[in-house]
Amino acid sequence: QVQLVESGGGVVQPGRSLRLSCAASGFIFSSYDMNWVRQLPGKGLEWVAVISYDGSNKDYADSVKGRFTISRDDSKNTLFLQMDSLRSEDTAVYYCAREDMIVVAAPTNVFDLWGHGTVVTVSS
Amino acid sequence: DIQLTQSPSSLSASVGDRVTITCRTSQSIRNQLNWYQQKPGKAPKLLIHGASGLHGGVPSRFSGSGSGTEFTLTITSLQPEDLATYYCHQSFNTHTFGQGTKLEIK
Repeated sequence: QVQLVESGGGVVQPGRSLRLSCAASGFIFSSYDMNWVRQLPGKGLEWVAVISYDGSNKDYADSVKGRFTISRDDSKNTLFLQMDSLRSEDTAVYYCAREDMIVVAAPTNVFDLWGHGTVVTVSS
Repeated sequence: DIQLTQSPSSLSASVGDRVTITCRTSQSIRNQLNWYQQKPGKAPKLLIHGASGLHGGVPSRFSGSGSGTEFTLTITSLQPEDLATYYCHQSFNTHTFGQGTKLEIK
């Protein structure tokens, strides 16, 4: 079954750390760039970070740069998000998402597979 | 950063209506624009890729158009199961989402 399953969310105090995981199954994980996308309570979607298929390239949203680190373990088909120096504004549902390129007339990168999300609450 | 502005932010329509949602970008993104549907309590699902390509399994009442800086998502003959929030997404330069359009069924 092709799926992504996030875990590791919870309640954490401001300034503390949390590590999210995303377990992939049913597809060749090492062939895909992978992303984290979050959704603040009652709000829209915000892209957080991306890691290339081979782990050589990473990029982050300005809002998390220097605090969050994306990584992957292809031997375990797992994506990670290490979140340090957490703030109340990081409270959100965190989704992992597979990035694929669809080539119809012109190539377009899409998020074609999403996990169910894991909830992170930063509160004292 | 590329900004995406969706309009309207919300709308209410009746079953059978034609619905149009617009997404405008702060700079040209050619056709690197995708649309997602998010139902309450669920993860987003890809509807449209490359501005006008219908993703596999998506009903044909959904369609997309546009290029450059202005894009539209159209739902012809609205169905009750289309109750959701719709997001545009640009992948021309990293990734940005629009703020969403909440669609309610009258």
